[in-house]
Amino acid sequence: QQQVKQSPQSLIVQKGGIPIINCAYENTAFDYFPWYQQFPGKGPALLIAIRPDVSEKKEGRFTISFNKSAKQFSLHIMDSQPGDSATYFCAALPSGNTPLVFGKGTRLSVIA
Amino acid sequence: GAGVSQSPSNKVTEKGKDVELRCDPISGHTALYWYRQSLGQGLEFLIYFQGNSAPDKSGLPSDRFSAERTGGSVSTLTIQRTQQEDSAVYLCASSKRSGNNSPLHFGNGTRLTVT
Repeated sequence: QQQVKQSPQSLIVQKGGIPIINCAYENTAFDYFPWYQQFPGKGPALLIAIRPDVSEKKEGRFTISFNKSAKQFSLHIMDSQPGDSATYFCAALPSGNTPLVFGKGTRLSVIA
Repeated sequence: GAGVSQSPSNKVTEKGKDVELRCDPISGHTALYWYRQSLGQGLEFLIYFQGNSAPDKSGLPSDRFSAERTGGSVSTLTIQRTQQEDSAVYLCASSKRSGNNSPLHFGNGTRLTVT
C-alpha cells in the first residue's frame, strides 16, 4: 500500500522559530512531492513542491529538503509567524495518472 | 469561476438518510477529485474523474458511496443510508489534468454530520 508517514502530529513554536515537519515514504515510484497548507474552515492550498532530482527548494520563508536515498523529505519554515499557524500536509504523487497520497497532517501553532 | 465551489458547506442528516454533495470545479479543469478528511486521519482519497469517467474508484469506502460527473464539469458525491462514521469533511479538488504537472485546487469542503 502506498503510504506517506508524517510527523509530528502537532507542533508548537515561538514566533521567529523554525518548525520542521518530516515525511517519509516507501514507494520509489513517487516522483513529485508537494506540501499543502490548510487554515480552519478552508480547503488545503498548494504551498511548495519538489521533484526528486533536487535536494532543496526554497520559496520565501518555506524550504523543502529532500533526501532521496533515505526516502524522506521535510518542510522548514524560517522566521515563523502566528499567521503560519495552520495544518500542513505532505503528499506524494505516484507515476502515472494516479492521485496524490497525503500524510496525516501536522497542526502547527506559532505563539507570539 | 474563481475557485472550486462546494455545496452545501454544512450538512446535518439523520442516520439512514441519503445525502448528495456537489462540486463545481474550476472552469476548464478536466480532472476532479474527492477526498474525505476526518479528525486526525488526514486526507483520504475517495475517487477521481478524468472528464466524465472515473479511472480510479478504489477509495470509495463501501457500496453506499457513489459519484458521478456530467458534462465534464459538476460532480455529485452521493452517500446512501448514512452512518455516523460517515461524519467528516468532504473535499473536492480539480486540476487542469491528472498527473504531476497539475496542482490540485481544493474547495472549502462540505462538513457532514450524521446524527
